[in-house]
Amino acid sequence: DQQVKQNSPSLSVQEGRISILNCDYTNSMFDYFLWYKKYPAEGPTFLISISSIKDKNEDGRFTVFLNKSAKHLSLHIVPSQPGDSAVYFCAARNYGQNFVFGPGTRLSVLP
Amino acid sequence: DSGVTQTPKHLITATGQRVTLRCSPRSGDLSVYWYQQSLDQGLQFLIQYYNGEERAKGNILERFSAQQFPDLHSELNLSSLELGDSALYFCASSVDHSSYEQYFGPGTRLTVT
Repeated sequence: DQQVKQNSPSLSVQEGRISILNCDYTNSMFDYFLWYKKYPAEGPTFLISISSIKDKNEDGRFTVFLNKSAKHLSLHIVPSQPGDSAVYFCAARNYGQNFVFGPGTRLSVLP
Repeated sequence: DSGVTQTPKHLITATGQRVTLRCSPRSGDLSVYWYQQSLDQGLQFLIQYYNGEERAKGNILERFSAQQFPDLHSELNLSSLELGDSALYFCASSVDHSSYEQYFGPGTRLTVT
């Protein structure tokens, strides 16, 4: 039972354009949602988070949007840079307990 | 560099064997998490420790066990290994048990032959 889904295994975007990565969840008990970035041969790196009581959080080029009624969140990267090429994991925290990760989306930013 | 260290980096062993993976959290972090990432899959939460005590349990097999020592480093023990246990095993740490921001180590790649 996949509680956190990332239905696009991969995404290609031109440098300078917007990257939009999507994530859907099924569990209404999640209190925090997070995005992690992972480069090959490294562990995931925390990118940005959003509380379940908010609908938007922005940090520089990265913005996360949360639509609770649709159980959907998205990560926007503007403008996209070649260094953003990585695997992006959506994750959710189960009210202070365990974390559930999605399968990841591989983003390729083309120069 | 996240400040979380994991050893060894790679491990190759045979079915039926037992291995121990080690993790040192970031300085000051009290909580340690273990995750398994199989090929092309997301990270599966295994177990969390906070200041030496088990805090939360995920999909951890009975053949697997973990502990966190007084110096806060943690070990994940995998026994009676099967081919399907081949995966990347990540350790992460956070300041306390309620923090949502985790810092991940580089992982240990386990290959069971």
